[in-house]
Amino acid sequence: EIVMTQSPATLSVSPGERATLSCRASQSVSSNLAWYQQKPGQAPRLLIYGASTRATGFPARFSGSGSGTEFTLTISSLQSEDFAVYYCQQYNTWPPTFGQGTKVEIK
Amino acid sequence: QVQLVQSGAEVKKPGASVKVSCKASGYSFTTYAMHWVRQAPGQRLEWMGWINAGNGNTKYSEKFQGRVTITRDTSASTAYMELSSLRSEDTAVYYCASSGPSAWYLFDYWGQGTLVTVSS
Repeated sequence: EIVMTQSPATLSVSPGERATLSCRASQSVSSNLAWYQQKPGQAPRLLIYGASTRATGFPARFSGSGSGTEFTLTISSLQSEDFAVYYCQQYNTWPPTFGQGTKVEIK
Repeated sequence: QVQLVQSGAEVKKPGASVKVSCKASGYSFTTYAMHWVRQAPGQRLEWMGWINAGNGNTKYSEKFQGRVTITRDTSASTAYMELSSLRSEDTAVYYCASSGPSAWYLFDYWGQGTLVTVSS
């Protein structure tokens, strides 16, 4: 199965600053890469799909990029509601697999 | 609006089975698929298996093959996940998540989660 590796494990950012999260796949997943946001005590919520398409309800400060094996999620100016854990997931090849998550915390 | 509502928390003894339900609303249940994903404490999300709600076909992760059974009741727009031979390592939050025909393994909506605790 494809192994998804995220970095860093924890990212400490001040409100208003930019956050850059990375996700690497052990083999190419084309653009079949999603990002999910999970807040404490809540289910994950689809944030980005197709590597760069924002899901309904998320503002433009969230953007995704990449293809093949290297992907990036950028939050341009962190707001208080953005502090959460972010997971990447490949849906190119069965079985679908997730990264271990990046926790974005307040600095 | 799409909603997936799961059954409540469960406490089970090792060796027992658990069955979790997921009731869907706000969309055509049989047009989509339902997946089960679990999250053990401190662990990454782990896909367990899925059911095509239209034709009932299922596919399971090799890790859970033989222990997990996913079914659905189209009249109730509800999917079920049963996990047998429970052990302590199965303590986790279990989520149902839907997907559509454009990308069967892209999880667009999630249930609220069901905590299953396995303890003697």
